[in-house]
Amino acid sequence: GENVEQHPSTLSVQEGDSAVIKCTYSDSASNYFPWYKQELGKRPQLIIDIRSNVGEKKDQRIAVTLNKTAKHFSLHITETQPEDSAVYFCAASPYNQGGKLIFGQGTELSVKP
Amino acid sequence: GAVVSQHPSWVICKSGTSVKIECRSLDFQATTMFWYRQFPKQSLMLMATSNEGSKATYEQGVEKDKFLINHASLTLSTLTVTSAHPEDSSFYICSVNKASYGYTFGSGTRLTVV
Repeated sequence: GENVEQHPSTLSVQEGDSAVIKCTYSDSASNYFPWYKQELGKRPQLIIDIRSNVGEKKDQRIAVTLNKTAKHFSLHITETQPEDSAVYFCAASPYNQGGKLIFGQGTELSVKP
Repeated sequence: GAVVSQHPSWVICKSGTSVKIECRSLDFQATTMFWYRQFPKQSLMLMATSNEGSKATYEQGVEKDKFLINHASLTLSTLTVTSAHPEDSSFYICSVNKASYGYTFGSGTRLTVV
């Protein structure tokens, strides 16, 4: 089955700096890679996703890159703000097969004012 | 995206009792639903895939006799934690996959077993 590894587990940046979180996956059948932001006690919120037919996707300050050959994908947050502080999870799924979504271990991002 | 309702949002039960958690897909018919468990400061771990009209598929290491899943209709899946113990205290969350919209999560259930 799929295995998703996420690094780093914690990340502290100064407000305005960029933050990068990296994930690797094991199952070549995975073709859908979402990123979630989760605040304490709440459900994960989708912030951006990418499908395997695309190498990069951007939405304002957030971007995701995907390298299918190397089986890794990354989240990039630019111009970080204190409200970006949360736990971020990557995930992978063989979406077209109605497949299960497997999560990485999570990264606790702290943006210091 | 899809609209998913999960109840209760929190529950406290005594050790040895059973607790039922409901997950409803409000705006489309979900043949499959997913159940996750999340311990404090950890990731969401997939417990099982709930299949409408058939048996659930459990992930390795998840006791199917302890975590009973029923998906009797296209809009409702239930997870029953049987003979709950303090170590079952966790955040349980369901999810559905609606084509083109990705995965939508319920609001989660905080279970505390005392």
